[in-house]
Amino acid sequence: EAGVTQFPSHSVIEKGQTVTLRCDPISGHDNLYWYRRVMGKEIKFLLHFVKESKQDESGMPNNRFLAERTGGTYSTLKVQPAELEDSGVYFCASRSGNTIYFGEGSWLTVV
Amino acid sequence: AQSVAQPEDQVNVAEGNPLTVKCTYSVSGNPYLFWYVQYPNRGLQFLLKYITGDNLVKGSYGFEAEFNKSQTSFHLKKPSALVSDSALYFCAVRDMFSGGYNKLIFGAGTRLAVHP
Repeated sequence: EAGVTQFPSHSVIEKGQTVTLRCDPISGHDNLYWYRRVMGKEIKFLLHFVKESKQDESGMPNNRFLAERTGGTYSTLKVQPAELEDSGVYFCASRSGNTIYFGEGSWLTVV
Repeated sequence: AQSVAQPEDQVNVAEGNPLTVKCTYSVSGNPYLFWYVQYPNRGLQFLLKYITGDNLVKGSYGFEAEFNKSQTSFHLKKPSALVSDSALYFCAVRDMFSGGYNKLIFGAGTRLAVHP
């Protein structure tokens, strides 16, 4: 069974540019999460989808971040425009029962 | 406020020795507790979880963790460390206000360094 897959694995962009991160959850998982860890800090919750609906987006830092999950399958997280403080690793996860499975992460560097 | 504390930024242990990575939590009610590991340049891998039942939970790669309700702790342990265990370890607790949706609150992480 394929795990949670994320693309791109690494991205380096300039301040002010746009980046779109993609996540494919484990097949059949209705619950999809985005988390991020900015430089050396805790892993923080961003938002949670149940199928195509946003269940909880309380962790989204500001309106430069937009997440979508059209059709309830894969999800995208867009950062527009990117700022230096957005650098970090963005993790996507999906859930089976009480266990949340994470992807490899998308490592974002804003210069 | 709900929180998870990992009091040690780094733990150093010699290969073959037992290891402990500490975690304490602060939530109301019965906690759901998790350990994840991040190997260099990799994602988060699930190690083990405590939901209910036996306080000693066994997980992947020979790791185990002991839930101690009176001390609000969930320390990760392994009887004999391997150099390949060197990684970043995260303790997490389910946000009790997220209902059945399992939003996680993470600790800051502990870097484990196992020396040959």
